[in-house]
Amino acid sequence: DADVTQTPRNRITKTGKRIMLECSQTKGHDRMYWYRQDPGLGLRLIYYSFDVKDINKGEISDGYSVSRQAQAKFSLSLESAIPNQTALYFCATSDSSGDRTGKNIQYFGAGTRLSVL
Amino acid sequence: AQSVTQPDIHITVSEGASLELRCNYSYGATPYLFWYVQSPGQGLQLLLKYFSGDTLVQGIKGFEAEFKRSQSSFNLRIPSVHWSDAAEYFCAVGFLSGSARQLTFGSGTQLTVLP
Repeated sequence: DADVTQTPRNRITKTGKRIMLECSQTKGHDRMYWYRQDPGLGLRLIYYSFDVKDINKGEISDGYSVSRQAQAKFSLSLESAIPNQTALYFCATSDSSGDRTGKNIQYFGAGTRLSVL
Repeated sequence: AQSVTQPDIHITVSEGASLELRCNYSYGATPYLFWYVQSPGQGLQLLLKYFSGDTLVQGIKGFEAEFKRSQSSFNLRIPSVHWSDAAEYFCAVGFLSGSARQLTFGSGTQLTVLP
């Protein structure tokens, strides 16, 4: 089984709908991240969470919200989806113990491909 | 602010050829550098990383990358390309945000392999 699991893998929705993307991990990491990938733009950080009570906005948080339900679960919501939120979304995790050495490594899920019509 | 540039958007090579994917970064402190690969339908898999020490790092599948501080580069070399290497490759730099490291990614290089 994958260490970082994203559900669903694919989703098609309509403009204005609320949608939630879910991420769960079995790596025991305390940090979790949400990125979106657009062609030619690489990955951009939406939100990140250093623990259950610590949630931070990333580079492109407008139009998104998140919830860290438990250490192992981090969900991303689009309250009212719009077509320019069509993208590939990735969840990632890392372990804060890497801070002491600076050797943080992020591990990624397989992605959720979202289309907003 | 930190940034990563991957100048080659798309590269096409024949199987068996050698290849270098370019990555240049901008960061005011000591960089931590990464190469990730995204195969079709897959997530991002870490290929190799540079934190310190030997500037030539080895990764999985025989890939290697060399950190050159003077050129602000971390280019990935594939000695002999295999059809299964067709994928998108992302370079990333780890930077300090508060007490934690975050990642900034390049825009990626799409690799196509011809038989």
